Amino acid sequence: GEDVEQSLFLSVREGDSSVINCTYTDSSSTYLYWYKQEPGAGLQLLTYIFSNMDMKQDQRLTVLLNKKDKHLSLRIADTQSGDSAIYFCAGRGGSQGNLIFGKGTKLSVKP
Amino acid sequence: EAGVVQSPRYKIIEKKQPVAFWCNPISGHNTLYWYLQNLGQGPELLIRYENEEAVDDSQLPKDRFSAERLKGVDSTLKIQPAELGDSAVYLCASSGSLNTEAFFGQGTRLTVV
Repeated sequence: GEDVEQSLFLSVREGDSSVINCTYTDSSSTYLYWYKQEPGAGLQLLTYIFSNMDMKQDQRLTVLLNKKDKHLSLRIADTQSGDSAIYFCAGRGGSQGNLIFGKGTKLSVKP
Repeated sequence: EAGVVQSPRYKIIEKKQPVAFWCNPISGHNTLYWYLQNLGQGPELLIRYENEEAVDDSQLPKDRFSAERLKGVDSTLKIQPAELGDSAVYLCASSGSLNTEAFFGQGTRLTVV
């Protein structure tokens, strides 16, 4: 089955770019997702990318997908204090597959 | 449009007691998920429904956990009896017919003492 790995912590300064990385094992993963979780809250869907795409940009967010290496990244431009949260990478094998999550990367933004 | 609604937000019970969680998905969403999130971990799937049918319950501990979605809309997840190790956040999510985007509720934080 799918296994999703993420680094656990990332610290950046306000205004810098953040890059959160994720690797997955299932090459048949059709959709790959990034979710954001703030303390005490549920998961907020930030963006997702189809496996036939290499890049997707949405305002300050850029998702890069390297299918060969099974590597997904989320870049947040001009990181703000409100971006402090845990970011989860998730993969899904086809529309009937289940979402499989990584353990999350805690992003800390310093002034 | 209302998002996924879960209740209660918090629940504290003594071990061996029963507990139930309720979820109302986004209107029109056929797919409903229950996930378990332990502290410091990512969510793990417990059960997935397509309308009223449980299509994947392979990760649901059936000796003490049960779930239902009788009319294919809202759903209830029950634990009976609860154990100390069940303390976690229980998340509900739903997705529409294309099943590409899953939206989560705020979760229910369960503490078993």
